[in-house]
Amino acid sequence: NAGVTQTPKFRVLKTGQSMTLLCAQDMNHEYMYWYRQDPGMGLRLIHYSVGEGTTAKGEVPDGYNVSRLKKQNFLLGLESAAPSQTSVYFCASGLPGTYNEQFFGPGTRLTVL
Amino acid sequence: KQEVTQIPAALSVPEGENLVLNCSFTDSAIYNLQWFRQDPGKGLTSLLLIQSSQREQTSGRLNASLDKSSGRSTLYIAASQPGDSATYLCATTSGTYKYIFGTGTRLKVLA
Repeated sequence: NAGVTQTPKFRVLKTGQSMTLLCAQDMNHEYMYWYRQDPGMGLRLIHYSVGEGTTAKGEVPDGYNVSRLKKQNFLLGLESAAPSQTSVYFCASGLPGTYNEQFFGPGTRLTVL
Repeated sequence: KQEVTQIPAALSVPEGENLVLNCSFTDSAIYNLQWFRQDPGKGLTSLLLIQSSQREQTSGRLNASLDKSSGRSTLYIAASQPGDSATYLCATTSGTYKYIFGTGTRLKVLA
């Protein structure tokens, strides 16, 4: 049981490049989330999903897109990376009926030059 | 809009001391409150989750309490150890799936 995994662990991009971050969970959780963590800002919700095929905007969605084609996977895309998107990205998952307890992946450290 | 605050931002204590970490929130209409631990360069590990109807939760040397009316939660760590050194984060949700996080308290326990 791997829990929540994230790919890649590290990435360096140039401004304007695109990339996709992959989150996978093997706990059969309905809910999945993408957060970013910046110094002094705490974790902020980017997008989330309450089930396969559904997505919704969080607190800071601009510049990101997401897809949840399969229940176990939640993809975060950056179409045209900007230096302001340099951050650590965390994926989390949770199950309805458990008071929304969330379980986190190890994070992806992204640097945009 | 919910705001979550954790004070102090950093704390250094000698080994063996009992300590309290504080978390305050502005909107008392919460669904739950969750405490996490984050080690440097790592993800978040869930420590305790307190449902809105509960007053406290305990796990080993950890005890978390919740007072919705005053907008406060505390995490009590008994007999602190160097291995407890980490950043502790609290987060709450009003039931709309959106967690609001505090900025954390960075704890260092000195041997």
